Amino acid sequence: GDSVTQTEGLVTLTEGLPVMLNCTYQTIYSNPFLFWYVQHLNESPRLLLKSFTDNKRTEHQGFHATLHKSSSSFHLQKSSAQLSDSALYYCAPDSGYNKLTFGKGTVLLVSP
Amino acid sequence: EAAVTQSPRNKVTVTGGNVTLSCRQTNSHNYMYWYRQDTGHGLRLIHYSYGAGNLQIGDVPDGYKATRTTQEDFFLLLELASPSQTSLYFCASSDAQSNTEVFFGKGTRLTVV
Repeated sequence: GDSVTQTEGLVTLTEGLPVMLNCTYQTIYSNPFLFWYVQHLNESPRLLLKSFTDNKRTEHQGFHATLHKSSSSFHLQKSSAQLSDSALYYCAPDSGYNKLTFGKGTVLLVSP
Repeated sequence: EAAVTQSPRNKVTVTGGNVTLSCRQTNSHNYMYWYRQDTGHGLRLIHYSYGAGNLQIGDVPDGYKATRTTQEDFFLLLELASPSQTSLYFCASSDAQSNTEVFFGKGTRLTVV
């Protein structure tokens, strides 16, 4: 089945520094959709951004990611972290039939 | 705004007990899902369905049954609950088109003592 490897565990940053959360995936599908979901404390996961197009940058709410099918990667980036970015981030490929396989998630903690 | 409602929001049961978690979506979505969320494991798919009467096996189905009675309603059944099933359970729904957004409910926290 599909699998996802994300930056392990906890990433701590000072406000204003750049954010980079890694995601690599394995899927049998040659043209998967890739998603990033974000979950703030005591909330449900919600969509942050998604992509299908190889080598095209996708942006939303200050975050961006580029799908690279050659390396099976979909890293999440932001130029300057904000306190409100503190959350749990999930990368997920769509393995078909809307069946998302989530990674273990990465907790981003931004401090003043 | 898509709406997925779970009940109960919190549940405590004893080992060996019988539990049913309910989920209703009012989005007219075809797909519904049950996930469990655990620290260190992330979100894991238990069962999902693409319509009334349909059931698909997810990645961690052992110990769980599910039933989709209508397009709106999806139930998760734990017939002999065990402490390992203590978790936060999310129901979600999505449209039939691939790559559309999955909408999550607020979650049900289940504790098996």
